[in-house]
Formats: sequence, structure tokens, C-alpha cells
Amino acid sequence: RKEVEQDPGPFNVPEGATVAFNCTYSNSASQSFFWYRQDCRKEPKLLMSVYSSGNEDGRFTAQLNRASQYISLLIRDSKLSDSATYLCAVRDSWGKLQFGAGTQVVVTP
Amino acid sequence: DTAVSQTPKYLVTQMGNDKSIKCEQNLGHDTMYWYKQDSKKFLKIMFSYNNKELIINETVPNRFSPKSPDKAHLNLHINSLELGDSAVYFCASSQETSGVNTGELFFGEGSRLTVL
Repeated sequence: RKEVEQDPGPFNVPEGATVAFNCTYSNSASQSFFWYRQDCRKEPKLLMSVYSSGNEDGRFTAQLNRASQYISLLIRDSKLSDSATYLCAVRDSWGKLQFGAGTQVVVTP
Repeated sequence: DTAVSQTPKYLVTQMGNDKSIKCEQNLGHDTMYWYKQDSKKFLKIMFSYNNKELIINETVPNRFSPKSPDKAHLNLHINSLELGDSAVYFCASSQETSGVNTGELFFGEGSRLTVL
């Protein structure tokens, strides 16, 4: 079983709609959590950290559920420019940042 | 100025050859990494160096040898290339603050290796 798992998608989302997806992690001792965005044939870039109480950054909302060992990302009012692959990243107790394989989001006009 | 730069961006080579990928960061970070992203887009850590010292060495064939001449550079040398080595290799750097890594990795643009 992979340490960090994501639904690969694609999630096809009409422009303006809301999309949400999760990421599960296997190590209950994981310490910190992040969402990265990766555009096609580009490098990953940090989108946002995920805090225990949940946090928002504009149209993006991240949640952490430690009991069920998952994090989620919700995108409101989707824009065409939100089309990308969203990578979940989890820092384990040894300090390693482990990535999921990503969830592809395609926003359509 | 590019914060994390790696060269070459594209590399096509024959099985059995030896190749190197170079990485430099000008962010002043003390930790650098090599990640491999395969065709399934799974981004897997290979190595991590902190101030030129190896701190993470995942289960990677010993044909892969990282070298860090100083904390701003982390190169990757691969011997006896195999078909399965075809992937995109990303260099990254991060900064620890008071012993805590904030988790933000700054990635280079990637080096796409194709082994024929």
C-alpha cells in the first residue's frame, strides 16, 4: 500500500463549479500536510499548507481529518486556469516529504 | 533568476551509458533533494542532502550516486542506464527554520531522461 494515495481523476469540472477531492495517508505519525499544484510538463509548486483547523486561501479550502487520516482540497468557482494536477504531500516522522500520484482536474468552458 | 536550475532539461541516451544531471539553487537553502517522477506521475524521493551531508537515501539502486560539492549544488550521476530509469528527475531545495522544515519545496524544472 502506498503511503499517500489519491484518486487520479480526471475530475471534469464546468467553469464556475466547485470540485473537491481527498488524499489518504497511511502513517498516523505524519506531521504536516500540503497541497502542491503541477501543470503539464512543469514542476510542482506549493499551493497551500494544510492546518489542523482547516484553512482557506481565496477559492481554495484545505481540511485535515487526522482521525480518518485524510486531507481534502476544495476549489470554489473553478477557473480554466485551475486545470492542473494537484499533488498531496505528507511529511512523515522522519522528515521525508512523501507525495501522492496526484489528482487531475480539468475545468471546461 | 531561476531559483533552482537543473541541466540538462532533456537527455536521450542508450542503455548502458553513464550520465549526470546537475542542480544548483540560489535560494540559500540548506537542504536539497532529488525526486523521480515516473510515467504514472508518482513523485518519489530518492535522496536528500543537508549542508552537503546525505540525510535521506531511499531504496535506490547504487547505480545512482548523488554528489554535493557545496550546499548550493546537488548533482546526480547514473551508471549503466536501464530502460526503467526513463523518467523526469526533479531537483528541489528547502529551508529549515529552527529545526522545522516548513514543507515548501522549491523544484527545478525537471530533467526528462529517456533511455533507449
